[in-house]
Amino acid sequence: KAGVTQTPRYLIKTRGQQVTLSCSPISGHRSVSWYQQTPGQGLQFLFEYFSETQRNKGNFPGRFSGRQFSNSRSEMNVSTLELGDSALYLCASSLVIAGEETQYFGPGTRLLVL
Amino acid sequence: AQSVSQHNHHVILSEAASLELGCNYSYGGTVNLFWYVQYPGQHLQLLLKYFSGDPLVKGIKGFEAEFIKSKFSFNLRKPSVQWSDTAEYFCAVSHIGAGNMLTFGGGTRLMVKP
Repeated sequence: KAGVTQTPRYLIKTRGQQVTLSCSPISGHRSVSWYQQTPGQGLQFLFEYFSETQRNKGNFPGRFSGRQFSNSRSEMNVSTLELGDSALYLCASSLVIAGEETQYFGPGTRLLVL
Repeated sequence: AQSVSQHNHHVILSEAASLELGCNYSYGGTVNLFWYVQYPGQHLQLLLKYFSGDPLVKGIKGFEAEFIKSKFSFNLRKPSVQWSDTAEYFCAVSHIGAGNMLTFGGGTRLMVKP
């Protein structure tokens, strides 16, 4: 079974621009979560989508948003980019089996903001 | 807010040495516990997980972890490391009421000298 895929893998933007990242979950997985990974802050939860609805949200400003489509694919958008948004953005998908839900991560999109 | 601490930021071992990486969390309720590994240039991979039952869980590649509820700990162990275990290791916790949100520790960089 194919893993979580993320596009693009690398991205360079300038301050003030906006960016959209895409994530395709493992087939059959309905939950998609997004995380930001930086050297200073580590891995931080952005938000989670399940059945096209945001189920949980981390402590990030409103410039960070996301959505999920009916096929479970998800996108996240960052508007008005800041230098501090440079990070590796990870997507994870999960499936509940016998009450247990485990997240499987994609390779990430590395965003550089200049 | 929940927090996860990994006290060892960098660990250097020789091949065949035993490994124990510490992980402590702050949440007092029921938790789900995970260890993920990030090999150089690769994405986060699940090593092992604990939801309930036997507090000693075994994962891939000879790793195991023990959940000690009274100590709020979930330490990762391996009796004999190999050069190929060089990677960054992350402990993560989720709990009921927080959806699928994972709170990660800061990570431990392990270097195994051949």
